[in-house]
Amino acid sequence: KAGVTQTPRYLIKTRGQQVTLSCSPISGHRSVSWYQQTPGQGLQFLFEYFSETQRNKGNFPGRFSGRQFSNSRSEMNVSTLELGDSALYLCASSWLSMNTEAFFGQGTRLTVV
Amino acid sequence: GQQLNQSPQSMFIQEGEDVSMNCTSSSIFNTWLWYKQDPGEGPVLLIALYKAGELTSNGRLTAQFGITRKDSFLNISASIPSDVGIYFCAGQRNDYKLSFGAGTTVTVRA
Repeated sequence: KAGVTQTPRYLIKTRGQQVTLSCSPISGHRSVSWYQQTPGQGLQFLFEYFSETQRNKGNFPGRFSGRQFSNSRSEMNVSTLELGDSALYLCASSWLSMNTEAFFGQGTRLTVV
Repeated sequence: GQQLNQSPQSMFIQEGEDVSMNCTSSSIFNTWLWYKQDPGEGPVLLIALYKAGELTSNGRLTAQFGITRKDSFLNISASIPSDVGIYFCAGQRNDYKLSFGAGTTVTVRA
């Protein structure tokens, strides 16, 4: 079956702009989580959505937001981009909840200039 | 954020060697996951562990869920060049969030 698909793979934006990233989970998976990965901070949890509801949120400013649609596809939005937002953004999907394996997409490489 | 202490941070290994890395935490986890990430790609799930004391293998990889539920280790036997990459441990608690270790960078000397 198809894996987790993230689009676009690469993105270059300028400071102050906003960006929307998309994640299509594995078919049947209802949970989608988003992570920011940078060399200095590693993998940092942004938020998790389950059945269109945000279930968990990490310690990121309100400029980072997300949503999930009825088909479990999820989008992440970052407004008023800053240089420090340059990172690999990863989404992971899992079937249900506890004790389930999370599968990652290839990520979206965002560069803010 | 990251609550897991993963070690070593990096390692150079000789092809054919067995290697080991581990993760420890002050918190109890219900699930331990081990991932491998190649440059520019997303992490790929290698092994999932669900019970304290569980020992699971996937080819040359073996991982164990510590009895205290606060630690896990991953062994790679007979390493080969394609084992190069960054290995991450991840622990999942009752609130479903995954906490990640900082990663172990593995470089293989041919």
